[in-house]
Amino acid sequence: DIQMTQSPSSLSASVGDRVTITCRASQGISNFLAWYQQKPGKVPKLLIYAASTLQSGVPSRFSGSGSGTDFTLTISSLQPEDVATYYCQKYNSAPWTFGQGTKVEIK
Amino acid sequence: QVQLVESGGGVVQPGRSLRLSCAASGFNFSRYIMEWVRQAPGKGLEWVAVISNDGSQGYYAESVKGRFSVSRDNSKNTLYLQMNSLRSEDTAVYFCVRVGDPWGQGTLVTVSS
Repeated sequence: DIQMTQSPSSLSASVGDRVTITCRASQGISNFLAWYQQKPGKVPKLLIYAASTLQSGVPSRFSGSGSGTDFTLTISSLQPEDVATYYCQKYNSAPWTFGQGTKVEIK
Repeated sequence: QVQLVESGGGVVQPGRSLRLSCAASGFNFSRYIMEWVRQAPGKGLEWVAVISNDGSQGYYAESVKGRFSVSRDNSKNTLYLQMNSLRSEDTAVYFCVRVGDPWGQGTLVTVSS
């Protein structure tokens, strides 16, 4: 099975900083990659699908890029409401594995 | 609006069975692939299963293969997860997901003697 590895596992940044989270697949998955945000105590929310397509209603400071094995989620200007854990998920074929998550905090 | 409501969670002894349901509303249920995802307390998301829109194909995580079965009744707009031979490591909140979005609120399954 294809493994999904996120890095870093956690990060602390200041409001307004540019934040980048990486997700690496152990084999190529084309662009079948989604990113989710889960705020503390809340249900996960889809941010990006097809590696770079922003889900409706998601702020434009979020963006995704990549194809094949290497993907990134970027928050262009970190806001206090972005404190959350972020997960990538592959969906090219079963199993639709999640990455282990990246916890984002405000410094 | 699109809504997914899970039910059927609870406390169950190891080795026993439980069936989760997910009632869908606000969209054409029969057109969508549906997933189950779980989250153990304080842990990350774990994908469990996916089922095709017509229910003809289901796929499972290795951790539940042979024990869990996903099904759907498109006439009732309902998704199911039959969980057999439950283990303590199956303890988690189980989410019903319409292939990425939205997610239900989840139902807690606790496997404990």
